[in-house]
Amino acid sequence: EPEVTQTPSHQVTQMGQEVILRCVPISNHLYFYWYRQILGQKVEFLVSFYNNEISEKSEIFDDQFSVERPDGSNFTLKIRSTKLEDSAMYFCASSTDRATDTQYFGPGTRLTVL
Amino acid sequence: GENVEQHPSTLSVQEGDSAVIKCTYSDSASNYFPWYKQELGKRPQLIIDIRSNVGEKKDQRIAVTLNKTAKHFSLHITETQPEDSAVYFCAASSVAGNQFYFGTGTSLTVIP
Repeated sequence: EPEVTQTPSHQVTQMGQEVILRCVPISNHLYFYWYRQILGQKVEFLVSFYNNEISEKSEIFDDQFSVERPDGSNFTLKIRSTKLEDSAMYFCASSTDRATDTQYFGPGTRLTVL
Repeated sequence: GENVEQHPSTLSVQEGDSAVIKCTYSDSASNYFPWYKQELGKRPQLIIDIRSNVGEKKDQRIAVTLNKTAKHFSLHITETQPEDSAVYFCAASSVAGNQFYFGTGTSLTVIP
């Protein structure tokens, strides 16, 4: 069964550095998402992406964040200048159709900002 | 936007007993309600979902009920087993939206 994959599994960075989190969605899916989960808290929506553009974003997704689909398979989340509070698990998800279709989550990237 | 509340935050049951987790939502336009199970350090996994055109859905020991009028939906797990121990998240979305709004999670512990 195809799965969403994410790399790296764990990223440690210094405050102020840029990080890029990578995701490979399921191949026939059209909608892509990033979510964040601070340790012990709920999963929070960051952004959704369709047809090579952002379709929706939350208040968390400020100018420090950007997303890109640089080629036909990867979907990336960039954090330009990391802050301590960006430390969290970041999940990528994908679905065939809009949010009312099942979203399949990747294994996550644990980002630690020191 | 949508606001999803989930109760209880923690739940302990004896193996073989039933567990019920409840969620409420605020946006009457929401029409898709998935439940995810998340084991420690792992990705959320969809376990069951329900759309607004049905009131109940069952899959073996797991069932979900939806009350659109009251804007609440519940997860029912019967004959619980230790491997059911995990954090369970409910979520809601609408056809007009493009994201899931998650509840705060319920940590379920099944005591052998």
